Amino acid sequence: GNSVTQMEGPVTLSEEAFLTINCTYTATGYPSLFWYVQYPGEGLQLLLKATKADDKGSNKGFEATYRKETTSFHLEKGSVQVSDSAVYFCAPSGFQKLVFGTGTRLLVSP
Amino acid sequence: GAGVSQSPSNKVTEKGKDVELRCDPISGHTALYWYRQSLGQGLEFLIYFQGNSAPDKSGLPSDRFSAERTGGSVSTLTIQRTQQEDSAVYLCASSLRLAGELTRYYNEQFFGPGTRLTVL
Repeated sequence: GNSVTQMEGPVTLSEEAFLTINCTYTATGYPSLFWYVQYPGEGLQLLLKATKADDKGSNKGFEATYRKETTSFHLEKGSVQVSDSAVYFCAPSGFQKLVFGTGTRLLVSP
Repeated sequence: GAGVSQSPSNKVTEKGKDVELRCDPISGHTALYWYRQSLGQGLEFLIYFQGNSAPDKSGLPSDRFSAERTGGSVSTLTIQRTQQEDSAVYLCASSLRLAGELTRYYNEQFFGPGTRLTVL
């Protein structure tokens, strides 16, 4: 079955720092790849996605590129803000369902 | 409705009692999922419904857990004889199944706000 490994958190950064959250996956077939975000006190929401190799998903300044050769989908942002503090989940799609990682908590300080 | 709704938002119960959690998916979404998020843990898949197909129950942690989906819409997750380790946030999600080349978009899931269950 599919599985995903995310870097452990919390990741603590100062405002305007560069962010990378690593995600690698194992999957049967050719999954779509997703990043979901959970802001404090809120439900999960889709942040970005990519559906084929070398696709780059982007949203709100975040980017992730579908790397089939390394089975990775690392999340990056050039300059984080305090409002980016949240838990980020990487999720490859399996057959008819997503497989979520354990999540990486990001804490951004002013 | 505009999004996935869940009720109640909070539920406090005593150990040994049964609880029912409700999920209203986005209208027209044929797939419905239940997850559990325990404190400090990731999302744990519980069960998945797709149309009239048999549900995928592979994530249910014990036979105390069951779920049904009536009329292809509303779903109820039932936990019998609750235990303290059942305390968690229970999340529901729905998705729209697309046809043909778009099937890889199938798993974009839309989540409800969750039900926080506390078992005393």
